[in-house]
Amino acid sequence: SQTIHQWPATLVQPVGSPLSLECTVEGTSNPNLYWYRQAAGRGLQLLFYSVGIGQISSEVPQNLSASRPQDRQFILSSKKLLLSDSGFYLCAWSGPARGSTDTQYFGPGTRLTVL
Amino acid sequence: SQKIEQNSEALNIQEGKTATLTCNYTNYSPAYLQWYRQDPGRGPVFLLLIRENEKEKRKERLKVTFDTTLKQSLFHITASQPADSATYLCALDGGSYIPTFGRGTSLIVHP
Repeated sequence: SQTIHQWPATLVQPVGSPLSLECTVEGTSNPNLYWYRQAAGRGLQLLFYSVGIGQISSEVPQNLSASRPQDRQFILSSKKLLLSDSGFYLCAWSGPARGSTDTQYFGPGTRLTVL
Repeated sequence: SQKIEQNSEALNIQEGKTATLTCNYTNYSPAYLQWYRQDPGRGPVFLLLIRENEKEKRKERLKVTFDTTLKQSLFHITASQPADSATYLCALDGGSYIPTFGRGTSLIVHP
């Protein structure tokens, strides 16, 4: 069966510090991968998605970036965090086949607090 | 612009009753619609998917309807239990295989 891992679970970082959040998926090949952010009391905001190694699409202009160095690894980064980057970050995967549905399978999330 | 609306006010019901949550959308022609459950501090969990040519889908105590004329989906939980308390999100496929999520409605089932 497929599983998705995210770490760390919680993170407290000062403004201006770098960020690296990692997500890995097991039990599937060539998944579509997604990064979302959920601010308190807000909906899910899609940040990045990837349909393959090295292929990243950005949905929102910001100081975050994403990379996919391996088929089942997705990394969210920032060189300098802002206060507004605080939130709950969720990684998700969906089936790779075109024509299939985009049902999302989410990881446990990372709670990021920028002080 | 495309818009998904879910009631921002929490729905409070008594145990055993049927909970009904609403998802309305505008400026979409979704191929399908999905419902997810999210518990505090956790990632959403997929519950049900209904396609545009389906009127109703059931899974155990859950039922989803999809009215593309009204641009609305209803999500029902029958014989609700306190364990059903969570936030429920609807998501629409905008045609790019990337779903757009509503903000969700909180359901509180009182014993």
